[in-house]
Amino acid sequence: AQKVTQAQTEISVVEKEDVTLDCVYETRDTTYYLFWYKQPPSGELVFLIRRNSFDEQNEISGRYSWNFQKSTSSFNFTITASQVVDSAVYFCALSEAGVDSGGSNYKLTFGKGTLLTVNP
Amino acid sequence: DTGVSQNPRHKITKRGQNVTFRCDPISEHNRLYWYRQTLGQGPEFLTYFQNEAQLEKSRLLSDRFSAERPKGSFSTLEIQRTEQGDSAMYLCASSLTRRETQYFGPGTRLLVL
Repeated sequence: AQKVTQAQTEISVVEKEDVTLDCVYETRDTTYYLFWYKQPPSGELVFLIRRNSFDEQNEISGRYSWNFQKSTSSFNFTITASQVVDSAVYFCALSEAGVDSGGSNYKLTFGKGTLLTVNP
Repeated sequence: DTGVSQNPRHKITKRGQNVTFRCDPISEHNRLYWYRQTLGQGPEFLTYFQNEAQLEKSRLLSDRFSAERPKGSFSTLEIQRTEQGDSAMYLCASSLTRRETQYFGPGTRLLVL
């Protein structure tokens, strides 16, 4: 069964610092997708980034960047020059076909989240 | 482009009452998912629809829970005989196809007294 682990429960930084959120996943599928979502205090989950299992190229999108390494099953997410508005809970999630359930569900399995607080 | 909407946003009910939540997905998204999130946890999968067909239900979905998606448009999630343990945020997400990104609605926060 798929599993996502976010070892960091809470992180506190000062504005303009860089911060990296860790994510480790487990899956039996060879094709899967990894995501980061942000959940501000309002509660709505906001999609941030997505990566396919067959593409390990790391990218930068604005202040966001990610490091995907299949060898260590990790999908870490970095915010550069953090801002107070970045304060939220960040979730790493895994989507796969689901070999144990017919191979088509692509449901999301989430980690427990990391609470990021950016102080002014 | 309208996002996923959910109603109501908040619901307070007494134990034993029935409640129904509604989710309107992004137009033309044929996949619709329901998740439940309790305090301090990540969302957990409940069920999903491909158009109007409900294709999988989690073991979390007891027989007091039922979901529908008539005509493959909006979906409803009903909880009968609510229990205090049902208190949670119920999240709906939709995606264009099975491999596409799921976009979430604002959620319905349920409190069972």
